[in-house]
Amino acid sequence: EIVLTQSPAILSLSPGERATLSCRASQSVSSYLAWYQQKPGQAPRLLIYDASNRATGIPARFSGSGSGTDFTLTISSLEPEDFAVYYCQQRSNWPLTFGQGTRLEIK
Amino acid sequence: EVHLLESGGGLVQPGGSLRLSCAASGFTFSSFAMSWVRQAPGKGLEWVSSISSSGASTYYPDSVQGRFTISRDPSKSTLYLQIRSLRADDTAVYYCAKGGGGAHFDSWGQGTLVTVSS
Repeated sequence: EIVLTQSPAILSLSPGERATLSCRASQSVSSYLAWYQQKPGQAPRLLIYDASNRATGIPARFSGSGSGTDFTLTISSLEPEDFAVYYCQQRSNWPLTFGQGTRLEIK
Repeated sequence: EVHLLESGGGLVQPGGSLRLSCAASGFTFSSFAMSWVRQAPGKGLEWVSSISSSGASTYYPDSVQGRFTISRDPSKSTLYLQIRSLRADDTAVYYCAKGGGGAHFDSWGQGTLVTVSS
């Protein structure tokens, strides 16, 4: 099973700042990595698929990078609605797995 | 617009069974793999099953293998999850998601809560 480790667990920033979230895989997942955003009481929403492709309707301030085992989600300038929990997920191997999440909170 | 609507959750006693349903609309259901993902209260996301577009192939993690059965009815554009021998640690919100394996989860339902308790 591929283990995805996200860091940091909690990230405290202010609106307008840049956010950098990390996801590390226990073995290569090539570019088969996605990022999801989840707000309280809501279903997750796909932000980035296959490491660097923005999903439909996702603002350009969200970007993804990386390949192999190290991946990054960057939010260039935080908006108030961006404070949420973010998960990475791999589809390279069965079982499909998620990271434990990074909580992005307002400082 | 893709719409996924789960139903069938509720309070179940340990050892019981439940069938969850997910009614899909807004896309060609028979062309896409579908999946179930669950989230225990206050916890992260856990993938629990996927089914290919044709229904010929199904996938499960070891943690639910043998107790969970995923299926689909293309005539009704509906996805199902049969859960047997329910345990307290199956308590979670169960989400239906479009995708799995060959694609990430690009659309999600709002979830249905399953509570296992005596």
